[in-house]
Amino acid sequence: SQTIHQWPATLVQPVGSPLSLECTVEGTSNPNLYWYRQAAGRGLQLLFYSVGIGQISSEVPQNLSASRPQDRQFILSSKKLLLSDSGFYLCAWSFGQGAFYGYTFGSGTRLTVV
Amino acid sequence: KQEVTQIPAALSVPEGENLVLNCSFTDSAIYNLQWFRQDPGKGLTSLLLIQSSQREQTSGRLNASLDKSSGRSTLYIAASQPGDSATYLCAVRPRASNTGKLIFGQGTTLQVKP
Repeated sequence: SQTIHQWPATLVQPVGSPLSLECTVEGTSNPNLYWYRQAAGRGLQLLFYSVGIGQISSEVPQNLSASRPQDRQFILSSKKLLLSDSGFYLCAWSFGQGAFYGYTFGSGTRLTVV
Repeated sequence: KQEVTQIPAALSVPEGENLVLNCSFTDSAIYNLQWFRQDPGKGLTSLLLIQSSQREQTSGRLNASLDKSSGRSTLYIAASQPGDSATYLCAVRPRASNTGKLIFGQGTTLQVKP
């Protein structure tokens, strides 16, 4: 069965420090991978998506970057965190085609920038 | 631009009551609509996925309907239980996007009182 792992679960980082969040998927190959952010009082917003190794697309301009060094690994990074980067970060992978396109989400990382 | 709205934002009901959560979207050009459950501080769990050609999907005590022409979906929960307390999110996958991204509503936070 397919599983998605995301870590760490919680993180408190000072402003200006670097960030690295990791997401891995098991039980599937060549998944589409996504990073979403859920800020307080706001809905989920797509940050990055990837359709393959080294292929990253950004949905919104921001202080963050993403990388996909391996087929089932997706990393969210920042060189210098801002207070506004605080939020709940969710990794997801999708499966199927067209109308059968379903999503599975990871358990999330709560990031607090202080 | 696709927008998804969920009403009400919060709902409190006594145990055993049947209830309906509403979701509306502005653009009917979608591949599918998906309902998720989110427990506090946790990731999203997929409940039901309705393809654009379908009218409804059922899983246990949950029934989701889709009226694409009017841009509406409902999630019906029968015989609610305290364990159903969570935030329920609906999301559409727009045909206009080739990224597979989802557009989320803000969610309905449900509390079922024993």
